[in-house]
Amino acid sequence: QVQLQESGPGLVKPSETLSLTCTVSGGSISSYYWSWIRQPPGKGLEWIGYIYYSGSTNYNPSLKSRVTISVDTSKNQFSLKLSSVTAVDTAVYYCARGGGWWGYWGQGALVTVSS
Amino acid sequence: QSALTQPASVSGSPGQSITISCTGTSSDVGAYNYVSWYQQHPGKAPKLMIYDVSHRPSGVSNRFSGSKSGNTASLTISGLQADDEADYYCNSYTSSNTYVFGTGTKVTVL
Repeated sequence: QVQLQESGPGLVKPSETLSLTCTVSGGSISSYYWSWIRQPPGKGLEWIGYIYYSGSTNYNPSLKSRVTISVDTSKNQFSLKLSSVTAVDTAVYYCARGGGWWGYWGQGALVTVSS
Repeated sequence: QSALTQPASVSGSPGQSITISCTGTSSDVGAYNYVSWYQQHPGKAPKLMIYDVSHRPSGVSNRFSGSKSGNTASLTISGLQADDEADYYCNSYTSSNTYVFGTGTKVTVL
């Protein structure tokens, strides 16, 4: 059974870079798309972007200038970097398997942007 | 890209059927058969219920079904059960090669 686990700082200062890693277990990261999706507290879901295991990416245009998603196949991990964060970036960040629909999700990581 | 429009809330009694709508445009829901639906219980990660408009993943109850007409997709839950009480989100591929979620619907079992 494929499992995903997000890890990274739970508190980030405004203007700094949010960094999260998703570790995939129970299966190979190869041959799939891998996504990041976020959910501000009490609000709906927002697609951030995805990466194919080969490294090709696709990002939400509203975040594109600040987002980088990368993959490390040797560690079975993929990562999210979101730069110049503000309070509106406070959210639960989910990693998930898939590029267009998502059948496997991590439990989510709450990241708060605050000084 | 604006979020797809869903009703804020839908309710029904146990055993009844309910339908949640997801309205987009001719550039997303209406253009592609790439609509998916997710169930989210409080404090939990979303769970895939339907993909590609009407396909059910293995393990999802056949009480859940999906359809689409024009720019509106729908999720129907038949034989409503207490555990169906949750938030539901639709998602669609768009002509901009991106993905957009719906506004979310809270389902209440009376």
